[in-house]
Amino acid sequence: EAQVTQNPRYLITVTGKKLTVTCSQNMNHEYMSWYRQDPGLGLRQIYYSMNVEVTDKGDVPEGYKVSRKEKRNFPLILESPSPNQTSLYFCASSPLTSGGASSYNEQFFGPGTRLTVL
Amino acid sequence: AQSVTQLDSQVPVFEEAPVELRCNYSSSVSVYLFWYVQYPNQGLQLLLKYLSGSTLVKGINGFEAEFNKSQTSFHLRKPSVHISDTAEYFCAVSYTGGFKTIFGAGTRLFVKA
Repeated sequence: EAQVTQNPRYLITVTGKKLTVTCSQNMNHEYMSWYRQDPGLGLRQIYYSMNVEVTDKGDVPEGYKVSRKEKRNFPLILESPSPNQTSLYFCASSPLTSGGASSYNEQFFGPGTRLTVL
Repeated sequence: AQSVTQLDSQVPVFEEAPVELRCNYSSSVSVYLFWYVQYPNQGLQLLLKYLSGSTLVKGINGFEAEFNKSQTSFHLRKPSVHISDTAEYFCAVSYTGGFKTIFGAGTRLFVKA
């Protein structure tokens, strides 16, 4: 089954304790992205990646890191989480066109990770 | 800055009634437009998208949307809703040749019996 998986689905942690949220897709998509969803704000993009070893900042990258060492995986790293990073996080993937853009392709979303930072 | 505005945060409606969820975007360039649906405790899934051509786009589950370039709008409609349509709906826009998608704040649709 084609899917995007995220782990963990739920996480409660404390301020300053490093954590990683994993994301994996089995559709051979080049493009992957992380979003956070907050009430009244919709989804805001944190980071995205166009391919292995190619990443770029989205609209709210502060406090987050990503890496793309393999095509299928795109982990999100919070080196020192703070309470304002309490949110619902989604990973998404989509194919790139032959011209290298992704903007008109559907994104496939994971089930979400609910993170609480105390 | 590019933005997407969903004009209603919540829309309550009775079962079998018609519904319209409104979306406006700010742009002076070519855009691609999407509507995604999020059911409780799930990720987002695509309802429909507008790339080019006919301004009326049909999607899954009986939804359709109309692209209006002069009003920079992309409103979502369904002639008769079901209880199972209760969900949050997100309008999104991306730009030709780009890698970013901008989402609206979402509209919660409540369908009542």
